[in-house]
Amino acid sequence: NAGVTQTPKFRVLKTGQSMTLLCAQDMNHEYMYWYRQDPGMGLRLIHYSVGEGTTAKGEVPDGYNVSRLKKQNFLLGLESAAPSQTSVYFCASSYPGQKNTGELFFGEGSRLTVL
Amino acid sequence: QKEVEQDPGPLSVPEGAIVSLNCTYSNSAFQYFMWYRQYSRKGPELLMYTYSSGNKEDGRFTAQVDKSSKYISLFIRDSQPSDSATYLCAMTLGIRGYNKLIFGAGTRLAVHP
Repeated sequence: NAGVTQTPKFRVLKTGQSMTLLCAQDMNHEYMYWYRQDPGMGLRLIHYSVGEGTTAKGEVPDGYNVSRLKKQNFLLGLESAAPSQTSVYFCASSYPGQKNTGELFFGEGSRLTVL
Repeated sequence: QKEVEQDPGPLSVPEGAIVSLNCTYSNSAFQYFMWYRQYSRKGPELLMYTYSSGNKEDGRFTAQVDKSSKYISLFIRDSQPSDSATYLCAMTLGIRGYNKLIFGAGTRLAVHP
């Protein structure tokens, strides 16, 4: 059971380049999330999805787009990368409804550097 | 002012010490309180979960919530080198919908032999 898998784990981009981070979960979770983690800032929610075909903005959505075409996958896109988007990105998933204890299941992170 | 404040540390203690980690928050409507542990270059994982006020114990770990003071704590007894990690507090208004967790910045803990 792999849980939440993120690819790639590391990436270096130049300003203005685009890229997509892929998140895959095999726990049949309805809810999926993308966070960024920066020193002194904690984890901040970028976008989230409550089901296949749905997405919504989180706390810091500007400069990012997401898609949830399949239940098990959640993609995070950067159309024109900026140095301010240098960060560690975490994907997470969770149960909805009665099974929900508030627990998020995280991937191992994707380290992105924008030069 | 951040909704959740957490001292980033680092906190360095000898093996066997009692560790106290704390967070304060400003939103009195928070109902669910969690502690996540994050090892270096890994994703966070849930360590403790508490609803409303009170204490919860799990082995060497005790989570405490004082809603009147808007203050939560995590105590680690008989700390071990394997406890060396960053500890993130998190809280949310409710869990009926998606988990809108608000995280603290994390406290880095080092337990040395």
